Amino acid sequence: NAGVTQTPKFQVLKTGQSMTLQCAQDMNHNSMYWYRQDPGMGLRLIYYSASEGTTDKGEVPNGYNVSRLNKREFSLRLESAAPSQTSVYFCASRGGGQLPGGYTFGSGTRLTVV
Amino acid sequence: GQQVMQIPQYQHVQEGEDFTTYCNSSTTLSNIQWYKQRPGGHPVFLIQLVKSGEVKKQKRLTFQFGEAKKNSSLHITATQTTDVGTYFCAGLWSSYKLIFGSGTRLLVRP
Repeated sequence: NAGVTQTPKFQVLKTGQSMTLQCAQDMNHNSMYWYRQDPGMGLRLIYYSASEGTTDKGEVPNGYNVSRLNKREFSLRLESAAPSQTSVYFCASRGGGQLPGGYTFGSGTRLTVV
Repeated sequence: GQQVMQIPQYQHVQEGEDFTTYCNSSTTLSNIQWYKQRPGGHPVFLIQLVKSGEVKKQKRLTFQFGEAKKNSSLHITATQTTDVGTYFCAGLWSSYKLIFGSGTRLLVRP
């Protein structure tokens, strides 16, 4: 099925380790996003990419880096993981056009930093 | 900064009762979107409101966008157990930056 695919689904890291969360969409969407969701809270925007080749900071970018590898793929990297980065990470994409619609979310990556 | 406030945080209703969640922004929004997230799931897009005073319906769900484009509401008539989940509003200021409210968690007693 068409949509947004995130890998891995679950991950446990030790403090100080690094990792990259992968995201790919097959809907030919221009913009892509990374959000984090902490228990009982809403989603907070980490980084976004309005189009291939561009990236911008969201609400909570510290401790993260991103790469828009091509139109399909948008990865999120944690260089030195901290317990405060324990969260569920969602990737999303959105089409363009005159009136872009809603965001399509992936199923999430549940990350625990110990 | 750009913020979206959403109330209430929780709502526990008897099946068949109505439910409403409210969303407010301190600044004028370009548009507002609503999402539903089932427990353990990911947000799923419900609707987008763009025009001042806009009202849209999806079966038992009614969405409103305020005249000043600073507030919005979602009303569910005669809730069912399938309505359980967290409902998020999300405000759009620029074309690319969607900011979510904290969500309203709906629990329905059968």
